[in-house]
Order: sequence, then structure tokens, then C-alpha cells
Amino acid sequence: RKEVEQDPGPFNVPEGATVAFNCTYSNSASQSFFWYRQDCRKEPKLLMSVYSSGNEDGRFTAQLNRASQYISLLIRDSKLSDSATYLCVVNKGFSGGYNKLIFGAGTRLAVHP
Amino acid sequence: DTGVSQNPRHKITKRGQNVTFRCDPISEHNRLYWYRQTLGQGPEFLTYFQNEAQLEKSRLLSDRFSAERPKGSFSTLEIQRTEQGDSAMYLCASSLPSDDKAFSGNTIYFGEGSWLTVV
Repeated sequence: RKEVEQDPGPFNVPEGATVAFNCTYSNSASQSFFWYRQDCRKEPKLLMSVYSSGNEDGRFTAQLNRASQYISLLIRDSKLSDSATYLCVVNKGFSGGYNKLIFGAGTRLAVHP
Repeated sequence: DTGVSQNPRHKITKRGQNVTFRCDPISEHNRLYWYRQTLGQGPEFLTYFQNEAQLEKSRLLSDRFSAERPKGSFSTLEIQRTEQGDSAMYLCASSLPSDDKAFSGNTIYFGEGSWLTVV
């Protein structure tokens, strides 16, 4: 079983749609959580951190459920420019003296006119 | 450009040849990471350096792979006797130790990656 699991998609949605991505992780000791965005053939870039209290950044809302080991990302009012792969990322924690990021395989989003 | 720099950005090689990638981290960053990303997958952790010491190696790093960071600055990743399965993007990242306990995700910096195609 992979440490971080995501639905690979693709999610094909029209502009203006609301789309939700989910992710589960297996290591209950994981300490911090993130969503990264990756454009085709580019490096991943941090989209937002994820907190148990939920956090919002403009059209993006992220939520963490530690009990269920479940992470979500909601994108409202989708734009063409949101088309990308969204990577769910878990930090296994400050063990061995460093932080180790574990990436999911990513969920592809394609927003069409 | 003061970001993480990787070279070469693209490499096409014949099966069986050796290749080497270089990563220049942000100058004051003493933590350096290598990841590998194959098509349709997320980046997978390969190895980690703290200064010149290689403190962790993934089981993904077979005997054909070797990474070094001789002076605690730049790092190299060498793949010997390349196989078609080695075709991937190799990502380097760096971070500061002062950011460890307050890690927020935006304190690890990725390079643009080095693409390897083995034909």
C-alpha cells in the first residue's frame, strides 16, 4: 500500500465548476500536510499547507481529518489556469534530523471552456 | 538566479551508458534532497544530505546509483549502466536547518529538474 493515495483522475470540469480532491495517508505519525501543484514537465510548487482547522486561500480550501487520515482540497470557480496535477504531500516528521516529504501520485485536473 | 540549479536539464543517453546530474542548492542551505519522478507518479524520495554526509538512502537507489556532496555544497547523482526504467525527472531540493521544526512546506526549494531519457 502506498503511503499517500490519491485518485489519479483526470477530472475534466468546465470553467466555473467546483471540484474536490481527496487523499489518504497511512502513517498516523505524519506531522504536517500540504498540497502542491505541478504543471506539465515542471517542478512541484507549494499550493498550500493543510491544517485540522481547515484553511482557505482565495478559491482554494484545504482540510485535514487526522482521525480518518484524510486530506481534501476544494477548488471553487475553476479557471483554465487551474489545469495541472495536484499532489498531496505528507511530511513524515522531524526524525533523523530532517523533514521528509512523501508525495502522492497526483490528481490531474483539466478545466475546459 | 539564487534558486536551486540543476544541470543538465535534459539528457538522452543510450542504455548502458553512465550519466551524471549536478545540483547546486541555495548557498546557505545545508540540507539537500534528491527525488525521482516517473510518468504518472509523484516525486519519490531517493536520498538526503546534511552538509557532506549522506544520512539516508531509499531502497529505490540501487547499486547503480550513487550520490555525493563532497564539500557540502553542490551534489552529483550518477547513474551507471543506465536502463530504460531509469527514464525519469530527477529533482533536487534544499532547505535550511533553522526551518526544520517550524517546517511549513514553503521552506524547501525544488530545482527545475533534470530529465533523463534512456533509449
